[in-house]
Amino acid sequence: QKEVEQDPGPLSVPEGAIVSLNCTYSNSAFQYFMWYRQYSRKGPELLMYTYSSGNKEDGRFTAQVDKSSKYISLFIRDSQPSDSATYLCAMSAEALRWSYIPTFGRGTSLIVHP
Amino acid sequence: DTGVSQNPRHKITKRGQNVTFRCDPISEHNRLYWYRQTLGQGPEFLTYFQNEAQLEKSRLLSDRFSAERPKGSFSTLEIQRTEQGDSAMYLCASSLVRHATTQGRNTEAFFGQGTRLTVV
Repeated sequence: QKEVEQDPGPLSVPEGAIVSLNCTYSNSAFQYFMWYRQYSRKGPELLMYTYSSGNKEDGRFTAQVDKSSKYISLFIRDSQPSDSATYLCAMSAEALRWSYIPTFGRGTSLIVHP
Repeated sequence: DTGVSQNPRHKITKRGQNVTFRCDPISEHNRLYWYRQTLGQGPEFLTYFQNEAQLEKSRLLSDRFSAERPKGSFSTLEIQRTEQGDSAMYLCASSLVRHATTQGRNTEAFFGQGTRLTVV
């Protein structure tokens, strides 16, 4: 079992839909949670960063962390065709040897069709 | 430019040749990471530097790979005697690990555009 599990999709939704992307993880030491967006053949772009549990909102994006369930989510409201990309979750811990090194899921491919 | 810069963007090389990639991090960042990403997979950690010290290497980093970060600024990743299995996107990221606050240490990592390596 990988430390961070993420369904690769693809997830196909109509324009304007609310998108829910999720990751589960096994390492209870993870405290820092990130979501990245990656367009084809480009580097990952940081979307959201959350420390510990709770929700964080930024425009159309909301990140949720449930540490008790080891489950994180990214919601995209009013999705647009330009949101079509791969969404990567990443997380890190303050453990001694691997301190703060982001560990990634494999990414979920999102397609928003007009 | 205030982002992470990687050069070259693309590299095609023959099997057995050596290649070197460069990464220029965000200037005030003290952490620099190298990752490798293959098609359909998330980035896989290779190694990282805290300032000029290389503190961790993953088992993915074979003896043919070496990374440096002289003076804690830019970094280079060299692959010797390249193999077809080395074909991938090589990503560099940087972050600033600082004193703890109520929001943690704000360790989010920012990535460059990557160097796509093709070994033929």
